[in-house]
Amino acid sequence: AQSVTQLDSQVPVFEEAPVELRCNYSSSVSVYLFWYVQYPNQGLQLLLKYLSGSTLVKGINGFEAEFNKSQTSFHLRKPSVHISDTAEYFCAVSFPKLVFGQGTRLTINP
Amino acid sequence: DGGITQSPKYLFRKEGQNVTLSCEQNLNHDAMYWYRQDPGQGLRLIYYSQIVNDFQKGDIAEGYSVSREKKESFPLTVTSAQKNPTAFYLCASTSPSYEQYFGPGTRLTVT
Repeated sequence: AQSVTQLDSQVPVFEEAPVELRCNYSSSVSVYLFWYVQYPNQGLQLLLKYLSGSTLVKGINGFEAEFNKSQTSFHLRKPSVHISDTAEYFCAVSFPKLVFGQGTRLTINP
Repeated sequence: DGGITQSPKYLFRKEGQNVTLSCEQNLNHDAMYWYRQDPGQGLRLIYYSQIVNDFQKGDIAEGYSVSREKKESFPLTVTSAQKNPTAFYLCASTSPSYEQYFGPGTRLTVT
């Protein structure tokens, strides 16, 4: 079955620390990969996407993600987080139907 | 500005009443989607439409209905048959480059 797993439901970090949000998916065929961010009581906003080409993808707000085909992973990283990054982050995979992970709540402590 | 609008932002209804959530897009996208979001459960697909006058059930279609009479509009009706309708509802459309654009959502509370 096609599935997307976000390995951490919550990730607390201190401000200016690096962060990695993990995402794994199950598929033996080529897929498209996305990360979205959701602020409280709002819709989802695209952070970045991987369709093809370079496996390191840069997105908005200083985020980047690396596609690893052998590990079927697409982890999201930021080298230094800010208070404003506090939000819920969703990994999504197009199989081609878009399937979302359960979300990871990122909280930034001052 | 192009985008997706959903109205209203907050909606309150009594149990047993049908309610219709609005979704309009001016992005000229063919495909539109409705998701339901509950705390800790991510997004679950209710219905989707890839073209006008055609739509498909998603993973949790029971108790919901949709129509797609115009490319710009994809309203969702939450019927009285939906056993637990209180949730946050998100509408989205998909670009030719597979990116989904989301509306701001409607929070429905049924008491």
